[in-house]
Amino acid sequence: SQQGEEDPQALSIQEGENATMNCSYKTSINNLQWYRQNSGRGLVHLILIRSNEREKHSGRLRVTLDTSKKSSSLLITASRAADTASYFCATDADSSYKLIFGSGTRLLVRP
Amino acid sequence: DGGITQSPKYLFRKEGQNVTLSCEQNLNHDAMYWYRQDPGQGLRLIYYSQIVNDFQKGDIAEGYSVSREKKESFPLTVTSAQKNPTAFYLCASKSTGTGYNEQFFGPGTRLTVL
Repeated sequence: SQQGEEDPQALSIQEGENATMNCSYKTSINNLQWYRQNSGRGLVHLILIRSNEREKHSGRLRVTLDTSKKSSSLLITASRAADTASYFCATDADSSYKLIFGSGTRLLVRP
Repeated sequence: DGGITQSPKYLFRKEGQNVTLSCEQNLNHDAMYWYRQDPGQGLRLIYYSQIVNDFQKGDIAEGYSVSREKKESFPLTVTSAQKNPTAFYLCASKSTGTGYNEQFFGPGTRLTVL
């Protein structure tokens, strides 16, 4: 079952611009995570935000969480060509052992 | 080097054959996972194991089997009962300690049925 749905499915921006991608989920969560996947590779954890947090920063990444709307956003500032990848949100709705991944946003940063 | 490895990177299988994908981790993680990813899609959970000698079915377990005889290893067998096995398979592991939520992923195995 898909808990998280990302929007947009694909995003193309110019290097230096900001990229924003959104994630919506259906049930209550303890935390929400964002992962990155380069083409044909495994996923890499980017950032985790807990249900009692509203905003979190890590380098050029900014994540927000609105539990009333069951949504999260990932902002990448000053994007670089190396940021080109797919980005997935994941939630722990079922249990602390399992993650449910969304369908991902494919980001293309044009040099 | 600490991490999680998968082999082989590419695997080709004839219809009707069983194949086993390897996943090994040296992170001392208790929990391990297998996911399937189809082109342009997210990850779907096949099986997971929270501890040695125990595992649970995920959302799409039919046609797959696993074992967890050692903490470091969680092999996945794709059986002939899996009707559409061509996909990218990802293994992950996670510490089960309090506050540890991040999953660490291997590089994946791309399985193609000929």
